[in-house]
Amino acid sequence: DAKTTQPNSMESNEEEPVHLPCNHSTISGTDYIHWYRQLPSQGPEYVIHGLTSNVNNRMASLAIAEDRKSSTLILHRATLRDAAVYYCILAVTDKLIFGTGTRLQVFP
Amino acid sequence: DAGVIQSPRHEVTEMGQEVTLRCKPISGHNSLFWYRQTMMRGLELLIYFNNNVPIDDSGMPEDRFSAKMPNASFSTLKIQPSEPRDSAVYFCASARQGRVTEAFFGQGTRLTVV
Repeated sequence: DAKTTQPNSMESNEEEPVHLPCNHSTISGTDYIHWYRQLPSQGPEYVIHGLTSNVNNRMASLAIAEDRKSSTLILHRATLRDAAVYYCILAVTDKLIFGTGTRLQVFP
Repeated sequence: DAGVIQSPRHEVTEMGQEVTLRCKPISGHNSLFWYRQTMMRGLELLIYFNNNVPIDDSGMPEDRFSAKMPNASFSTLKIQPSEPRDSAVYFCASARQGRVTEAFFGQGTRLTVV
């Protein structure tokens, strides 16, 4: 499975945009880029996924580099409820392998 | 839909006892996953099923662990005998096969083996 690298932690202020980076230099052509997050005391939840093009949904945006070796999850206006661990995962099969993720702290 | 339902939410058992964790996936989902989460090892994929058939159990730590999916609406993860190092939060997740990117997780079972 291709490996991803994320910062251990990031901080943001409420209502500011947050850019969470992920490096995946060994990504293969068929790997999808997934983002999940895990709120305190809950199971992980799906955020967004993409293959080559940038993607938007109600939760976030995903910006994918042209060479696909990195991507960025964008939360347009962070709220206190966005404080969580964010996981960037590469997968082409059914296996979602979680790394250590980025712990996002949001301050009021 | 009520989402993925796991039971029990909390389990405390003595070393050597058998433990059975249960999972009801979302109706219509035909992929099911069992994960284990600890502070030391993070989230580990133990096993996953497609259409009730185990596809990959390479993450199952040892023979004390077994998982079954007798039908599309029920799965169990059994530990026999349990050991203190099995203490963790165990998550079940389900997805539509081919749409695994949108897996839905249950609330987890917190297992403590004393």
